[in-house]
Amino acid sequence: QLQLQESGPGLVKPSETLSLTCTVSGGSISGSDYYWGWIRQPPGKGLEWIGSIHHIGSAYYNPPLQSRVTISVDTSKNQFSLKVRSVTAADTAVYYCASRPVVTRRFDSWGQGAMVTVSS
Amino acid sequence: DIQMTQSPSSLSASVGDRVTITCRASQGISDSLAWFQQKPGKAPKLLLFDASRLESGVPSRFSGTGSGTDYTLTISSLQPEDFATYYCQQYYITPLTFGGGTKVEIK
Repeated sequence: QLQLQESGPGLVKPSETLSLTCTVSGGSISGSDYYWGWIRQPPGKGLEWIGSIHHIGSAYYNPPLQSRVTISVDTSKNQFSLKVRSVTAADTAVYYCASRPVVTRRFDSWGQGAMVTVSS
Repeated sequence: DIQMTQSPSSLSASVGDRVTITCRASQGISDSLAWFQQKPGKAPKLLLFDASRLESGVPSRFSGTGSGTDYTLTISSLQPEDFATYYCQQYYITPLTFGGGTKVEIK
């Protein structure tokens, strides 16, 4: 089974860009037929899908976030990344990366999560 | 967007109890439904997919039923390690959406 690990700054200032990377091990991003996705969870609240990308480049985003979010893949590093622009306190959350096989479509592997706080 | 409504939002139960959690979709999702368990400070763990298929390694006391818009997660005999929050999630269509969660607490 794949292992995923998030990394990135834990503190971001309001109006700046949140950047996180997910490193995949146990398999190749480019050799696997997966969607690579991001989900977030504000403190004490539920789960929100941010978006997903396939290694060939097609990305899908949650409409409320679409204008501020970019997900990209770096096959040379076996990583995929998330950028959220113009952040506010409402973007404070635990951010999870997760894999979803194209055939079965379920999120079957998750990273441990990265807490990101938006504060000046 | 497909809205996923879980009920109840919380429940208290004892070890050995049978527990049922319901998830209702705002439109038909053709069994494209997963159930997750989340413990504090941990990532969600996949329990079931395609509404009723048990993920490898998940105990058989967990089961899922339903069709169309209405789905149920049942824990046949609650164990101490099952006290957690449970989420349903539809993958029928994007945007992927989650239910609001059901917190299972010790009575």
